[in-house]
Order: sequence, then C-alpha cells, then structure tokens
Amino acid sequence: DTGVSQDPRHKITKRGQNVTFRCDPISEHNRLYWYRQTLGQGPEFLTYFQNEAQLEKSRLLSDRFSAERPKGSFSTLEIQRTEQGDSAMYLCASSFLQGGEQFFGPGTRLTVL
Amino acid sequence: EDQVTQSPEALRLQEGESSSLNCSYTVSGLRGLFWYRQDPGKGPEFLFTLYSAGEEKEKERLKATLTKKESFLHITAPKPEDSATYLCAVQAHYGGSQGNLIFGKGTKLSVKP
Repeated sequence: DTGVSQDPRHKITKRGQNVTFRCDPISEHNRLYWYRQTLGQGPEFLTYFQNEAQLEKSRLLSDRFSAERPKGSFSTLEIQRTEQGDSAMYLCASSFLQGGEQFFGPGTRLTVL
Repeated sequence: EDQVTQSPEALRLQEGESSSLNCSYTVSGLRGLFWYRQDPGKGPEFLFTLYSAGEEKEKERLKATLTKKESFLHITAPKPEDSATYLCAVQAHYGGSQGNLIFGKGTKLSVKP
C-alpha cells in the first residue's frame, strides 16, 4: 500500500504529558499537511510543509504544538503539556502539486484524560 | 472570511432513493472545490475536484457539479454502502503560496435497505 500512513492510530495520555505523532506521506508528494478534526466537525488546518520548509501555521496552532519534516520525507507533530481540549483526530495529508488533490491518512485519535 | 456550509447536516434515504447534498461557499478566489467521503474512525477519502463553474464529475452513483456559489453532490439510486459523511472543502488563491483546505461540517448520509 502506497498511501499516507500515520502512527500511532490511537493514543491515550494524561493531561500534562507530551505526545508525538508521525506521518509518512505518499513518496513522490512534496506537500504535507496537518489537520485536526473534532466530533461533528470538518477537519481544520494546522500547518503545512513544502519539502522540508514549514510554510504556514494556523492560529489554531498554539506554542505547545510543533511540527517538523526533516529531509522533506516523514513529518512529526508534537504536542507538549497536553490539555483535555487537545483530544481530537489528527489527520495528515499529502499532495504533489500546490493545487492538487490532498490524500489523507487514517488519522491518529488522541484522548487526553 | 472564507467559509463552507453544507446542508443538510444529516440525510436518511431508502435504498434507491436519489437525492442531492449541498455545499455553499464564500471564498476570495476559488482555486478548487473538493469532495471527500469519510467513514467513522477513518481519514477522508478523495472523491472529486472541481475547478470552474459549470464543471461536472461522475464516479459510479455520484455526480458533483459546481456553480459560482455552490456545489451539489448528486447520489443516484444509493446503496447501503454509500452511507458515510460527505465533506466539501475549498482551496483559495492567496498569492499562490497557500494550499490548505477549508472544510464544511459535512453531511451524514444513511441509506437503509
């Protein structure tokens, strides 16, 4: 399977702990996006990369969130000092072109207790 | 502010009963409009991209159309396996650098046998 993969699929953590998620995009795609989705809502944009450069961050992305894409391949999203409001599905997507279709991974479901 | 509104929020159909889902949008310069299907607990699955008013795309029982203010997803003779949440998203022109999608809340479709 050559689709977008995410790891882990589920993460349960206690408030105040740090968590890190990984996304492996489709290999030839140079754009990688992170979104967050809560129950009953559509995905909301967090940040995106073109190759290894982080080009934009949403105002939703507080200082506790950081994302990296070393060498322009996989990406990681870290949340420090998690809060209950961080509980959501974190989705990664990739695309080949700026205006091209974005293909999503299966998501990482985060639950903060 | 760019915005996407989908209606209805939920739709229950009998198998074979055709209907349409609506996606109205306001965006300062549309680069593209996207339809996705999302099953519970999974990431969105790409269906269609529409770029200009008057454009139509078809896939099996689904047909997407686009006007200057809205898009419709027509479902002809649906089957139970078409049950899912259908998401609409727009991508805007912003100096050629941005590529994130702005999603609606989705329409939850249930098709009963």
